[in-house]
Amino acid sequence: QLQLQESGPGLVKPSATLSLICSVSGGSINDANHYWAWIRQPPGKGLQWIGNVYYSGTTHYNPSPSLRGRVAISVDSSRNQFFLQVTSVTAADTAVYYCARLTKDTAMDRLDPWGQGTLVTVSS
Amino acid sequence: EVVLTQSPATLSVSPGERATLSCRASESVWNNVAWYHQRPGQAPRLLIYGTSIRATGIPARFSGSGSGTEYTLTISSLQSEDSGLYSCQRYDNWPLTFGGGTKLEIK
Repeated sequence: QLQLQESGPGLVKPSATLSLICSVSGGSINDANHYWAWIRQPPGKGLQWIGNVYYSGTTHYNPSPSLRGRVAISVDSSRNQFFLQVTSVTAADTAVYYCARLTKDTAMDRLDPWGQGTLVTVSS
Repeated sequence: EVVLTQSPATLSVSPGERATLSCRASESVWNNVAWYHQRPGQAPRLLIYGTSIRATGIPARFSGSGSGTEYTLTISSLQSEDSGLYSCQRYDNWPLTFGGGTKLEIK
């Protein structure tokens, strides 16, 4: 059974870089049928897709003004992990961050499974 | 960017009754709609994808329908554990987007 687990600092200072790891177990990240995604959810708000990475390293990012130019997602197949970096963080980046597997299939795209999520608070 | 608008924002329904949740897209999303359920403090869980395909382990009282720009999640015979946030999502093309969610309360 595939499982994903986020890890990283729970507190980040304003203007610093947020860095998270998603560790994948029970399956290989070297999977041509799936992408690996990051999603976030500010407290009390809805879900926001941050971006995806393919096992080859190909990435897609959310062009939203709130994220544009600040996000980098990468993958390390040898460790079965993928990574998120968000630079120049502000309080608006405070959220629960989730990683998930994205299946892209004609008209049947879906995120499943998800990690349990990790709360990242931006504060001095 | 395709915008998904969910309605109602909140819904209160008695146990055993039916709940109907709506997801409207700003343009056609070609049936590429998924639904997720999220309990407080938990990660979202996939319910439905491809408009109407139930994910593994999801009971038959959850059903999805729709086409074009209008999609519906129906939960028949509501149970207490069905409370929480329901979010629709599409990804027919970049970027992937979610609706704002419907908060379902079981009376």
